Amino acid sequence: AQSVSQHNHHVILSEAASLELGCNYSYGGTVNLFWYVQYPGQHLQLLLKYFSGDPLVKGIKGFEAEFIKSKFSFNLRKPSVQWSDTAEYFCAVSNQAGTALIFGKGTTLSVSS
Amino acid sequence: DAGVTQSPTHLIKTRGQQVTLRCSPKSGHDTVSWYQQALGQGPQFIFQYYEEEERQRGNFPDRFSGHQFPNYSSELNVNALLLGDSALYLCASSLVQAGAEAFFGQGTRLTVV
Repeated sequence: AQSVSQHNHHVILSEAASLELGCNYSYGGTVNLFWYVQYPGQHLQLLLKYFSGDPLVKGIKGFEAEFIKSKFSFNLRKPSVQWSDTAEYFCAVSNQAGTALIFGKGTTLSVSS
Repeated sequence: DAGVTQSPTHLIKTRGQQVTLRCSPKSGHDTVSWYQQALGQGPQFIFQYYEEEERQRGNFPDRFSGHQFPNYSSELNVNALLLGDSALYLCASSLVQAGAEAFFGQGTRLTVV
């Protein structure tokens, strides 16, 4: 069965600090990988996604993620966080056959100004 | 262009009762998925509907059932409510293609007392 593991439950950073959120997945076949973000009081929205090709994908708001197949990882990065990045971040995976998403438990990011 | 809309936003039910939650997909989308998000957890996939048929199902009991209408809107029904069914129920719409971006609604907060 597919599963997603997010290593950090709560991350606290100061503005301008660099961010890396870990995500590992468990699945034997080809997968599609996603990062979703949920800002306070808002709905889940897509940050970025990986289907194939260049393992370094860029998303909205300066976020990027790198797919490392050998490590079953899809870590999210941002060089310099802003207070407005305070949110809940979810890593998710789907298999190539379907669109159902398997989510990790999420990481709460708190950025202080 | 309206996004995904869910109703009601909040609901309180008594243990043993039945509940129906509703979802209108984003314009142009033909696939609706439902997720359950318990407090402090990531969303868990319940099932997905396409062309009025259940296309995929997660690990949820038969008490959870759904329906999709010809206009692509969808309902989630939960029978014989348990205290553990208290959660945020999310609806996501997408196109049927594998890996298509899912757009989420704000959710329905269900409390079972």
